[in-house]
Amino acid sequence: GAGVSQTPSNKVTEKGKYVELRCDPISGHTALYWYRQSLGQGPEFLIYFQGTGAADDSGLPNDRFFAVRPEGSVSTLKIQRTERGDSAVYLCASSEVSGGKTDTQYFGPGTRLTVL
Amino acid sequence: QQPVQSPQAVILREGEDAVINCSSSKALYSVHWYRQKHGEAPVFLMILLKGGEQKGHEKISASFNEKKQQSSLYLTASQLSYSGTYFCGTEPNRDDKIIFGKGTRLHILP
Repeated sequence: GAGVSQTPSNKVTEKGKYVELRCDPISGHTALYWYRQSLGQGPEFLIYFQGTGAADDSGLPNDRFFAVRPEGSVSTLKIQRTERGDSAVYLCASSEVSGGKTDTQYFGPGTRLTVL
Repeated sequence: QQPVQSPQAVILREGEDAVINCSSSKALYSVHWYRQKHGEAPVFLMILLKGGEQKGHEKISASFNEKKQQSSLYLTASQLSYSGTYFCGTEPNRDDKIIFGKGTRLHILP
């Protein structure tokens, strides 16, 4: 079956612009995660959705970052007034959560965001 | 809170063994291991849960010492395909967010 997909694969934008990054999770996975990965670092947690609601958004660095998952499937990460420090690979992962049990997270290929 | 991985990098010849360690300063519920090749998504290897047993498949296995808050990943008779960066992710409590280490770069030479 299809894995997690993310679009675009690459995004170059100018400082101060608004960007949207999209994630299509594995069909049937109720949990969705966004991470940010800088060069030479591990994935850094941003936000976690269980269904349509954000169950944990403690990793969002500031109020320029926002994410939605209106129908419990596709999610969009939105970044306003981008800064050069936002440049990174943004990874999305999904998992099949049953009964609150820790489940395997399956990662997408990521979106490489470059802010000039 | 971020787990510490060691070594940072290792170079092996094909067929040699490797051990990658992951340490946390906090009590852990679970440890997750992933491998990431350059430019690709992290790929799940295994999860070790508190109270669980050592896990493994084929030549890759891992252990979890709850008292020491440490996990180790064992790669036996390494193959060229094992090259990549290995990340451990720790979960302090059940259903907490996973916090990833900085990774261990493994390069296998033919």
